[in-house]
Amino acid sequence: GAVVSQHPSWVICKSGTSVKIECRSLDFQATTMFWYRQFPKQSLMLMATSNEGSKATYEQGVEKDKFLINHASLTLSTLTVTSAHPEDSSFYICSARDGTGVGNQPQHFGDGTRLSIL
Amino acid sequence: GQSLEQPSEVTAVEGAIVQINCTYQTSGFYGLSWYQQHDGGAPTFLSYNALDGLEETGRFSSFLSRSDSYGYLLLQELQMKDSASYFCAVRGGSSASKIIFGSGTRLSIRP
Repeated sequence: GAVVSQHPSWVICKSGTSVKIECRSLDFQATTMFWYRQFPKQSLMLMATSNEGSKATYEQGVEKDKFLINHASLTLSTLTVTSAHPEDSSFYICSARDGTGVGNQPQHFGDGTRLSIL
Repeated sequence: GQSLEQPSEVTAVEGAIVQINCTYQTSGFYGLSWYQQHDGGAPTFLSYNALDGLEETGRFSSFLSRSDSYGYLLLQELQMKDSASYFCAVRGGSSASKIIFGSGTRLSIRP
């Protein structure tokens, strides 16, 4: 079945560091990928929609200069948390959907990246 | 905008049946999905309803009533491994591909 690979799975770094997270669709092309953020015991909050070949669409309240998204190819989207601070510590999850249009294709999620900023 | 409401916690006994309800408000509705998430893991897709009625997949069933903006997930023959968080999610808004998640229901199974 369709698989989404996310890397790294776990990051610990110092405050002020920039961290890049990769999301790859392994056996399908994804013109659109999604980035979510999840705090402990809370729901997944959509941060932005990553569009191949164009700018990402950010949800209200998400700083686009803080969370840089690049969707350079049909199989790769990256999220860079710039100048990370402890409050950015969270579980970041990407997802992609196989196919286009409205249908019952499920979103496939990566395994997530647990980011801890010291 | 979109909003979804579901109970925060549900407790049930192994072997029993449990129903998790979800009500939603959205502009441009394209379907209601259910996802399961174990602690520390990523969400996994369980079911999708675009039309009214019941969808059955093994021990899990999902129901949708578009007129009531309501759906539920039914889990039968509960097993200890079913202990997890369950999220309803709607595909809607201006983009049919964008999925917004509910706050999640923490299901605890007792022996």
